[in-house]
Amino acid sequence: KNEVEQSPQNLTAQEGEFITINCSYSVGISALHWLQQHPGGGIVSLFMLSSGKKKHGRLIATINIQEKHSSLHITASHPRDSAVYICAVLISSNTGKLIFGQGTTLQVKP
Amino acid sequence: DVKVTQSSRYLVKRTGEKVFLECVQDMDHENMFWYRQDPGLGLRLIYFSYDVKMKEKGDIPEGYSVSREKKERFSLILESASTNQTSMYLCASSLAGRGETQYFGPGTRLLVL
Repeated sequence: KNEVEQSPQNLTAQEGEFITINCSYSVGISALHWLQQHPGGGIVSLFMLSSGKKKHGRLIATINIQEKHSSLHITASHPRDSAVYICAVLISSNTGKLIFGQGTTLQVKP
Repeated sequence: DVKVTQSSRYLVKRTGEKVFLECVQDMDHENMFWYRQDPGLGLRLIYFSYDVKMKEKGDIPEGYSVSREKKERFSLILESASTNQTSMYLCASSLAGRGETQYFGPGTRLLVL
């Protein structure tokens, strides 16, 4: 069993829909990252969370440390949101070492 | 603006060749990382370095070595490339301590024939 599990693995939505991607982990963590990877490979960091909730534009990330679970929400989804979304947990704040989920491939259709 | 660059976007090599992948960051970051990304397996850590000349094995170091002679540069070396090392290779860097955000390079897609 992977230490970081994401669901769903693949997601297709219509433009405007509310989207939720889930991440569960089984190890002790210092923080959790949500990353976005567009076709072509480039990865950007969306959020780093250690508790509660963060919002940036149409993106919202939440984390429940007790339940070892995080969610990434996209409101009013748009085709440009189509990407792979990756959850990663930080297990060492000194070295910055991350363990990654397998990613969720999102396609938003117009 | 934050920048991590990798020496090549695409690379084709033959089995047995020695391969060098270079990563340079201009943010004065202490930590640097090499990952490979494969379909269905996600990102896996090969090696990381938290200071010049310091290195630690990640989850899949076999068949790879690294070099960090200068703070800004972290090299991944495939001593004798094999077909199972065909993959996307991603470099990242971050500030030391407190789990700072990692900044990723654009990736190098390596094909070993």
